[in-house]
Amino acid sequence: QSALTQPASVSGSPGQSITISCTGTSNDIGSYNLVSWYQLYPGKAPKLMIYEDSKRPSGVSTRFSGSTSGNTASLTISGLQTEDEADYYCCSYAGSSTFVVFGGGTKLTVL
Amino acid sequence: QVQLQESGPGLVKSSQTLSVTCSVSGGSISSVGYYWSWIRQHPGKGLEWIGYIYYSGSTNYNPSLRSRVTISLDTSKNQYSLKLSSVTAADTAVYYCARGLGAVVNLHYWGQGALVTVSS
Repeated sequence: QSALTQPASVSGSPGQSITISCTGTSNDIGSYNLVSWYQLYPGKAPKLMIYEDSKRPSGVSTRFSGSTSGNTASLTISGLQTEDEADYYCCSYAGSSTFVVFGGGTKLTVL
Repeated sequence: QVQLQESGPGLVKSSQTLSVTCSVSGGSISSVGYYWSWIRQHPGKGLEWIGYIYYSGSTNYNPSLRSRVTISLDTSKNQYSLKLSSVTAADTAVYYCARGLGAVVNLHYWGQGALVTVSS
């Protein structure tokens, strides 16, 4: 049981937009502006897509955006492309006892 | 360009100590402000944070693993290491190393992961 709750799967067609939610608690997402999102392909190094809720690292497409409201964070991918098909994980700082929690991951399928 | 590369034994016997090393290139492991983390992914499952060592040498661990985990820096080799003691089959996973900056969850660079299987 992961500390953060994500949908197991989402899907969309090329060109569409999708949003992946990540629900935590007031002990993690709700207390800190420290949510990050990672893209995973099998056998490859995970890639940081969003950090500190909504910041995009250099080199990440502007089609990826992040936001937070209350205890829920969201990753939105606009203009879906086939290469976006991957697993996505959210992550949050959870204070000085637990430190780091991850979501269970969401498999994005681009139909 | 910073690169991280895990190296591990591949196979560890139950009750023994698992050791994985992360070799860092393109930057110094002693550079101010960096968090050097370990994360694992059980087969077919999600990511689990194991712990980190700060550039200064201070450490913090996942409470569920704290009693069995040690993370250390080797500045002479520009590497850091994970040791997990008393392993069981439940510790079979891909072990990733990653570098954070600004906050432990800002994991900008990751290695490709090393699969470690615990056998009985």
